Amino acid sequence: AQSVTQLDSQVPVFEEAPVELRCNYSSSVSVYLFWYVQYPNQGLQLLLKYLSGSTLVKGINGFEAEFNKSQTSFHLRKPSVHISDTAEYFCAVRVTGTASKLTFGTGTRLQVTL
Amino acid sequence: DAGVTQSPTHLIKTRGQQVTLRCSPKSGHDTVSWYQQALGQGPQFIFQYYEEEERQRGNFPDRFSGHQFPNYSSELNVNALLLGDSALYLCASSLRSVSNQPQHFGDGTRLSIL
Repeated sequence: AQSVTQLDSQVPVFEEAPVELRCNYSSSVSVYLFWYVQYPNQGLQLLLKYLSGSTLVKGINGFEAEFNKSQTSFHLRKPSVHISDTAEYFCAVRVTGTASKLTFGTGTRLQVTL
Repeated sequence: DAGVTQSPTHLIKTRGQQVTLRCSPKSGHDTVSWYQQALGQGPQFIFQYYEEEERQRGNFPDRFSGHQFPNYSSELNVNALLLGDSALYLCASSLRSVSNQPQHFGDGTRLSIL
């Protein structure tokens, strides 16, 4: 079975400051890794994904994430946040080579203020 | 190109009633997955449908059932509703033959049980 841990339930940050949202996972088999964003009263929108290859992946809205196999982590970063980045962020994994279910973390609320 | 669409947007039911939620996948997708997202939690996998059959199921009771139609659209049925069934229900679609493709999510149906 797979599991995902997002240690920070809330992350407050000032506009234009950098931010890192942490994600650690556990799995006995290889997984794909994803970050999704959820704005109020909306579904999930894909930010970025790691499938294979380069461990640094870039996504939409200036976000990037780095896959670290030895630490089983996939932290999300942005060098300068904007008010509009305020949302809930979810890290998720899925077993490679399958179209199987996503396993999500509990989410991190990013609150950007002036 | 229409994305994943879900109906209705909101629904209010009372305990013991039955409910049906509907989902139309993104054009070109053939696999539909359903997730339950309780308030303040990450989405939890309910089940997945492909070729009109349930292919994978999460840890949900038999009160939760589903169906997939020949046009790939899907329904989620919940019987004998409990207060704890109050949640956002998300539908996600994908193309089964491309295993590394991320799932695309709809905006969900907000179900409230009184």
